[in-house]
Amino acid sequence: NAGVMQNPRHLVRRRGQEARLRCSPMKGHSHVYWYRQLPEEGLKFMVYLQKENIIDESGMPKERFSAEFPKEGPSILRIQQVVRGDSAAYFCASSPKEADEQFFGPGTRLTVL
Amino acid sequence: QKEVEQNSGPLSVPEGAIASLNCTYSDRGSQSFFWYRQYSGKSPELIMFIYSNGDKEDGRFTAQLNKASQYVSLLIRDSQPSDSATYLCAVKVSGAGSYQLTFGKGTKLSVIP
Repeated sequence: NAGVMQNPRHLVRRRGQEARLRCSPMKGHSHVYWYRQLPEEGLKFMVYLQKENIIDESGMPKERFSAEFPKEGPSILRIQQVVRGDSAAYFCASSPKEADEQFFGPGTRLTVL
Repeated sequence: QKEVEQNSGPLSVPEGAIASLNCTYSDRGSQSFFWYRQYSGKSPELIMFIYSNGDKEDGRFTAQLNKASQYVSLLIRDSQPSDSATYLCAVKVSGAGSYQLTFGKGTKLSVIP
């Protein structure tokens, strides 16, 4: 029973490039959440998605960041024109229903040079 | 603004002792409370959740919730060196279509052999 899967685990980008982070929820889970953890900071909510719907994106920066969870395939967090301040660990979590506990994937560590 | 406060530590306890981790939250609408353990460089791992006032025990872990005081704690009995990690308190405010978790910055626990 595979847990939440994320790839890549490590991603290095130069300033101005695009970063695409992927998340496959646990089997049977249809709710996906993205969080960001900056060095020495707490986890911060970014976006909550269900299949084909963005439910809450109140934590997403207004520019350069977008997320999707298509009918088929993983959820994707996309960061355009990355800057050094985007360097962080990005975690995806999933739950079977919106009111249930969230289980985290291993994270993608993004480094922007 | 919803806030979750934790003492950053480090909290040092000798092996075999009880470790007590505390968390306060600001939003009285909070309904669900979670404790995650995060080892350095790893993802958060759910260890306890509690929804009602009182105590909830699971093995060596006990979560305590006092909604009137807006306070939640985690007790770890018979602490082991393998318990050394950062413990994250998370709170969920349900309603309005959002089920995001708000995290504290974590308390770093060190169990001394």
